[in-house]
Amino acid sequence: ETGVTQTPRHLVMGMTNKKSLKCEQHLGHNAMYWYKQSAKKPLELMFVYNFKEQTENNSVPSRFSPECPNSSHLFLHLHTLQPEDSALYLCASSQEDVGENNEKLFFGSGTQLSVL
Amino acid sequence: KNQVEQSPQSLIILEGKNCTLQCNYTVSPFSNLRWYKQDTGRGPVSLTIMTFSENTKSNGRYTATLDADTKQSSLHITASQLSDSASYICVVSLYSGGGADGLTFGKGTHLIIQP
Repeated sequence: ETGVTQTPRHLVMGMTNKKSLKCEQHLGHNAMYWYKQSAKKPLELMFVYNFKEQTENNSVPSRFSPECPNSSHLFLHLHTLQPEDSALYLCASSQEDVGENNEKLFFGSGTQLSVL
Repeated sequence: KNQVEQSPQSLIILEGKNCTLQCNYTVSPFSNLRWYKQDTGRGPVSLTIMTFSENTKSNGRYTATLDADTKQSSLHITASQLSDSASYICVVSLYSGGGADGLTFGKGTHLIIQP
């Protein structure tokens, strides 16, 4: 286990549903991230939180709404999704903001989302 | 545009054999290069991180090499095991203080080890 836990592991939802993805890290890290992984495409960064403050929003549609109540928990609220939003949603954390620093990203196992 | 290209897209080898995965990138200025292993249904796990001054780094049977002049990296797996079946993702970091947005991910190489 990497110390990053995501729930649920699988989720099927209709386009009119509202659901939330949850991520919890037990590593004492200060930065948390949401990534989207679609089949045969590179990971796409969605949101970044540093010390509970959102520092990145990579032009993500408003039907995805992140929430970071504290540095250990991260949520992704979903509403009125489209079938093309079906993907693996990965949460990650790092001690400090990753990038030019040699900070390791620790990923959760992801939530496999299917939108019908 | 900063890009990371990985080859081959997929690879099948017999258990016990060695293999080498390739990563070419155009990211500039370059800060570091990472290799991740992603098992099916799991998140990626870090194997190595190399800065521009490092030529090689090992993690058990995994050895990564980096040529910052030609912007190429390789991941060599020695004496492959069934548990090595996974996708291997190359990630290159931009040197700009851009945070996580500076990471460029490759699409990965899907490796299958056959008994």
